[in-house]
Amino acid sequence: QKEVEQNSGPLSVPEGAIASLNCTYSDRGSQSFFWYRQYSGKSPELIMFIYSNGDKEDGRFTAQLNKASQYVSLLIRDSQPSDSATYLCAVISPKGGYNKLIFGAGTRLAVHP
Amino acid sequence: DTAVSQTPKYLVTQMGNDKSIKCEQNLGHDTMYWYKQDSKKFLKIMFSYNNKELIINETVPNRFSPKSPDKAHLNLHINSLELGDSAVYFCASSQEAPNTIYFGEGSWLTVV
Repeated sequence: QKEVEQNSGPLSVPEGAIASLNCTYSDRGSQSFFWYRQYSGKSPELIMFIYSNGDKEDGRFTAQLNKASQYVSLLIRDSQPSDSATYLCAVISPKGGYNKLIFGAGTRLAVHP
Repeated sequence: DTAVSQTPKYLVTQMGNDKSIKCEQNLGHDTMYWYKQDSKKFLKIMFSYNNKELIINETVPNRFSPKSPDKAHLNLHINSLELGDSAVYFCASSQEAPNTIYFGEGSWLTVV
C-alpha cells in the first residue's frame, strides 16, 4: 500500500464548477497535511495545509480532513482554466524517527471553458 | 530575490559522467531537502539536512552524495550517471523539519 494515494486523473470539470480532489494516507500517526499545486514544467507551490479534523477555507479553496478515515480532500469552488494543474497531496509521516513529507503521485485537474 | 535557487536549471550529460547541482536558500531556514521527480511526476524525498547535519537518507544509490557546507546551502553530487537518473531534482527548505516546504525551480537532468 502506498503511503499517500491519489487518483491520477485527469479530473475534468467545466469552468465555474466545483472540483473535488481526494487523498488517502496509510500512517495513522500522520498529523499534518498539505496540498501543493504544480503547473507543467514548474515547481510545486503550497496551496493549503490542515492539521485538525474538519474544514479549512481559504478563498476558493477548502481543505477537509478526516483522521478517522485517513482521508484528506481539496475542494476548488468556481473552478477556472488557470486552476488546471497537478495537485499533490502531502502528509508528514513520523516513520523512521524523523518526520518526512511524503507526496502522493498527484491528480491532474483540467478545467475547460 | 528567489527564495530557493538551484543551478543549473537544465543539464544534459552522458552516461558515466559526474555532475553536481547546487542549491541555496535565503529564507533563513534550518532544514533543506533534495527531492526527485520522475517521468511519472512522482515526487520522492532523497535527503534532508538540518543545520548541516544529515537527518534523512532514503534508499538512494551511494552514487548520490549530498553536501551541506552551511545551513543555507545543500549541493547534490552524482557520480557515474545512469540513464535512470534522468529526472527533475528539486531542492527545498523549511523552517522546521518538516513544516511548510518551499521548493526551488527544479533542475532538469537528462542522461544520454
